[in-house]
Amino acid sequence: GAVVSQHPSRVICKSGTSVKIECRSLDFQATTMFWYRQFPKQSLMLMATSNEGSKATYEQGVEKDKFLINHASLTLSTLTVTSAHPEDSSFYICSALWSKETQYFGPGTRLLVL
Amino acid sequence: QQQVKQSPQSLIVQKGGIPIINCAYENTAFDYFPWYQQFPGKGPALLIAIRPDVSEKKEGRFTISFNKSAKQFSLHIMDSQPGDSATYFCAAVAAGNKLTFGGGTRVLVKP
Repeated sequence: GAVVSQHPSRVICKSGTSVKIECRSLDFQATTMFWYRQFPKQSLMLMATSNEGSKATYEQGVEKDKFLINHASLTLSTLTVTSAHPEDSSFYICSALWSKETQYFGPGTRLLVL
Repeated sequence: QQQVKQSPQSLIVQKGGIPIINCAYENTAFDYFPWYQQFPGKGPALLIAIRPDVSEKKEGRFTISFNKSAKQFSLHIMDSQPGDSATYFCAAVAAGNKLTFGGGTRVLVKP
């Protein structure tokens, strides 16, 4: 299958700081990437759809000013958690759309806000 | 509102057994149904996928059965191994590429 990477794999930050997470499709170009959030023992919750060269589309209830998404190239999307607070601590996972329906997922980023 | 219902939440089988995970959906616009396997601390990995015009699909030890009229589909893991212990998610896709995930099933295969 296609390969998607995320960086960093885990990050610890202080409350009030911003954290940037990168998602890269390594062996294919992805005009569309997705960002998910996953709480322990729960399913994945879609946060937003990231389209190369245009603004991201956010799901209902997701604060777009808090979770800034940029899809600057066909292989890179970034998620910036601004002014992070402890409740933002979670496992963030990106995916890249490989074909019309098939998404390949990154390994995830564990964020801990102290 | 959960559009894809998955059961059971967890199950335990002995090595060699056949865990069966069931999913049901309501939205008839769904036309692609992938299954993902997730190990702790990792991202989901695509296992196998099926379209509603196919009643069964096999890939290695993984088999999907699909019942379009009942709007149900299931995953069978043949000859299960301890290394298959993971959380499995069914999902469904309609136009727009968005994945709608089931709630997940934690499978434990005992040696």
